[in-house]
Amino acid sequence: DAGVTQSPTHLIKTRGQHVTLRCSPISGHKSVSWYQQVLGQGPQFIFQYYEKEERGRGNFPDRFSARQFPNYSSELNVNALLLGDSALYLCASSLGGSYTGELFFGEGSRLTVL
Amino acid sequence: KQEVTQIPAALSVPEGENLVLNCSFTDSAIYNLQWFRQDPGKGLTSLLLIQSSQREQTSGRLNASLDKSSGRSTLYIAASQPGDSATYLCAAGSGNTGKLIFGQGTTLQVKP
Repeated sequence: DAGVTQSPTHLIKTRGQHVTLRCSPISGHKSVSWYQQVLGQGPQFIFQYYEKEERGRGNFPDRFSARQFPNYSSELNVNALLLGDSALYLCASSLGGSYTGELFFGEGSRLTVL
Repeated sequence: KQEVTQIPAALSVPEGENLVLNCSFTDSAIYNLQWFRQDPGKGLTSLLLIQSSQREQTSGRLNASLDKSSGRSTLYIAASQPGDSATYLCAAGSGNTGKLIFGQGTTLQVKP
């Protein structure tokens, strides 16, 4: 079975632009979370979605938004990109809505903002 | 506010050595603790998940323990191999949203 898949794997944007990152969870998983990992740091929580509804939001500005589709895939959108948004964006999926479930991560989308 | 700390930040050992990676958290009200491995430029691979009611989990050469009262978890790696070289991250599950709070990781180098 395929794991969590993310696209694109790498992308370069300039300041002020907008970016959309995509994630497909493991088949059967209904919860998707997004994390930002800056070089040398541990991942930071951005959003969690379950059954198309936002379950949690981390300490990120409103420029960050996300949604989950009926097939449980998800998009992360970032507007008005800043240099500090350069990071590895990780998507994770888990089986259900329980917050005790194991998280499985994808390979990430490496965003560089110039 | 939950904070997770991993010490040391980096570790270098000769092949074959048994080693322990440490993880501490400030709020004992966690519902689980998960250990991950991350290779350079790659995503996270789940190694072990310990629920709050459990004391330890084992998978192959890996053993993770959890002591909520002291706010600590350890990852024990037996008979280390060069292929074990990677960054190891621990993450505590807190709150009611499935959010994980990560430490900054321990970068392990196992020398042949």
